[in-house]
Amino acid sequence: DAGVTQSPTHLIKTRGQQVTLRCSPISGHKSVSWYQQVLGQGPQFIFQYYEKEERGRGNFPDRFSARQFPNYSSELNVNALLLGDSALYLCASSLQRLNTEAFFGQGTRLTVV
Amino acid sequence: KQEVTQIPAALSVPEGENLVLNCSFTDSAIYNLQWFRQDPGKGLTSLLLIQSSQREQTSGRLNASLDKSSGRSTLYIAASQPGDSATYLCAVRNSGAGSYQLTFGKGTKLSVIP
Repeated sequence: DAGVTQSPTHLIKTRGQQVTLRCSPISGHKSVSWYQQVLGQGPQFIFQYYEKEERGRGNFPDRFSARQFPNYSSELNVNALLLGDSALYLCASSLQRLNTEAFFGQGTRLTVV
Repeated sequence: KQEVTQIPAALSVPEGENLVLNCSFTDSAIYNLQWFRQDPGKGLTSLLLIQSSQREQTSGRLNASLDKSSGRSTLYIAASQPGDSATYLCAVRNSGAGSYQLTFGKGTKLSVIP
């Protein structure tokens, strides 16, 4: 079975632009979460979606938004990019919402110039 | 607010040594704790998941323990190999408010010297 897949793997954007990152969870997993990891830090929670509904939101500005589709894949959108948005964006999927193992994708490296 | 601390931040050991990585958390009301491995510039690989009712989990040369009441977990790596070199992260999932997220430590960067 394929693991969590994210696309693209690398991305370079200019300040002020918008970006969309994509994630396909492990087959059968209904929960998708997004995390941001800056260099030298642990991942920081952005969103959790379960059964296509937002179940949790981290301390990120409204420029960040996400959605989950009927096939449980997900997109993360970031508007009006800032230099500080440069980071590794990680997607995690799990079978259920709470007490099951989380599996991460390889991440999308976003560089804002 | 849950806070997770990992000590040491970096560790260098000769090949073949046994080693222990530490993780502490401030709020003991957790569903579970998960250990991950991260290679430079890559995603996270899940190593072990310990539910709050469990004391330890083992996978190959890895053994993770959990003492929920004291807010501590350890990851024991036996007979370390150069291929074990990576950053190791622990993360907890609260059972109360904020249960939708994993809270991570900053990681321990392990170097195993041949």
